[in-house]
Amino acid sequence: GAGVSQSPRYKVTKRGQDVALRCDPISGHVSLYWYRQALGQGPEFLTYFNYEAQQDKSGLPNDRFSAERPEGSISTLTIQRTEQRDSAMYRCASSLAKGALDYGYTFGSGTRLTVV
Amino acid sequence: AQKVTQAQTEISVVEKEDVTLDCVYETRDTTYYLFWYKQPPSGELVFLIRRNSFDEQNEISGRYSWNFQKSTSSFNFTITASQVVDSAVYFCALSRMETNAGKSTFGDGTTLTVKP
Repeated sequence: GAGVSQSPRYKVTKRGQDVALRCDPISGHVSLYWYRQALGQGPEFLTYFNYEAQQDKSGLPNDRFSAERPEGSISTLTIQRTEQRDSAMYRCASSLAKGALDYGYTFGSGTRLTVV
Repeated sequence: AQKVTQAQTEISVVEKEDVTLDCVYETRDTTYYLFWYKQPPSGELVFLIRRNSFDEQNEISGRYSWNFQKSTSSFNFTITASQVVDSAVYFCALSRMETNAGKSTFGDGTTLTVKP
């Protein structure tokens, strides 16, 4: 597509429920990244993929968080048994270069997750 | 570990004033990338510039200029003759330069308000 598309735009869920956040990167972009941004803070790295391979998941807070990109295109970030502290803006980004960030990220509009 | 510090939380200027946003970083790597991103009130994150650690030439793009000084680990951003449309949160970020080092470390941002 023309840009990085994320869905849903807003998600309100009850504590304890599972949520799945979707990211559709720019066509042809090799690398895909997930970041989380709390209010008043900068984006915090969660994980990233080159093609379908998850290269780094060191930023995932705990084992309730997981991500996949099975065909090297669309990615899903799943949060199981959500907690209120998971409430944040979840941002997806993609880049043309393989991890080297030659051109910086192109970010999607994000998914605002609210856990009540 | 990498760290980016944007000491100025908020800056307010009057239109046509020049303003400089500070960014100081910490890294043990000898080669790295530095970035600036803009987050306007609409919420998206927009890539502005990337610099390589081995290229200390200052860069100018229209009213924007960037001053990279490796000796002081700083990568400051100056907007000349500011305009109301420059009002946004600006983030500085740092990334390793290795092939698979995809993640960036962001500062917490500086909120710039330009008043008419």
